[in-house]
Amino acid sequence: AQSVSQHNHHVILSEAASLELGCNYSYGGTVNLFWYVQYPGQHLQLLLKYFSGDPLVKGIKGFEAEFIKSKFSFNLRKPSVQWSDTAEYFCAVSVRGSTLGRLYFGRGTQLTVWP
Amino acid sequence: DAGVTQSPTHLIKTRGQQVTLRCSPKSGHDTVSWYQQALGQGPQFIFQYYEEEERQRGNFPDRFSGHQFPNYSSELNVNALLLGDSALYLCASSLGEQSTDTQYFGPGTRLTVL
Repeated sequence: AQSVSQHNHHVILSEAASLELGCNYSYGGTVNLFWYVQYPGQHLQLLLKYFSGDPLVKGIKGFEAEFIKSKFSFNLRKPSVQWSDTAEYFCAVSVRGSTLGRLYFGRGTQLTVWP
Repeated sequence: DAGVTQSPTHLIKTRGQQVTLRCSPKSGHDTVSWYQQALGQGPQFIFQYYEEEERQRGNFPDRFSGHQFPNYSSELNVNALLLGDSALYLCASSLGEQSTDTQYFGPGTRLTVL
């Protein structure tokens, strides 16, 4: 079945630790990839996106993600997390062609950073 | 520059009732998409409106309907509410309906069905 998988539902880290959140998708064809973040009490915000070109994309607040086509993955990374990174992170995919701008989301990963 | 706005913020209804949720897109955007986010889940696509037409639809029953107005704002209507319709309803807007058009999300409307 077509899906977006985020295998880590809850990640707990101390400040300054490195972060990697996994995202795998199972859609065929050409995909666009996104990471959204939802801080407590706030709306979903775009962290970064990948459409084509360099598979390593940089986003806001020091986040980056790498698209590995052979692994159908788009993992999110940050070398050193801060307490303010506590939030829920969603990986999303859109498929070029018939589904237009429809986004398919993973179920999210809750990140808790302890000061 | 106003972002995506939604109203109301919270809503409590009883089973069988009908509800209308409203969305104003980000300034300059012409496309509105609606998503349902159940507790502990990622957003699920309901439908997308562009040029006042429903352009595509997710796996939701006909009880879910919508409308887009000439000023690009949109409404989501849900009839015959069920307990399972309790969720956060998100509106997203974009400039264009293509898959590469970035969607910007509003704060959502929290619907509780009793």
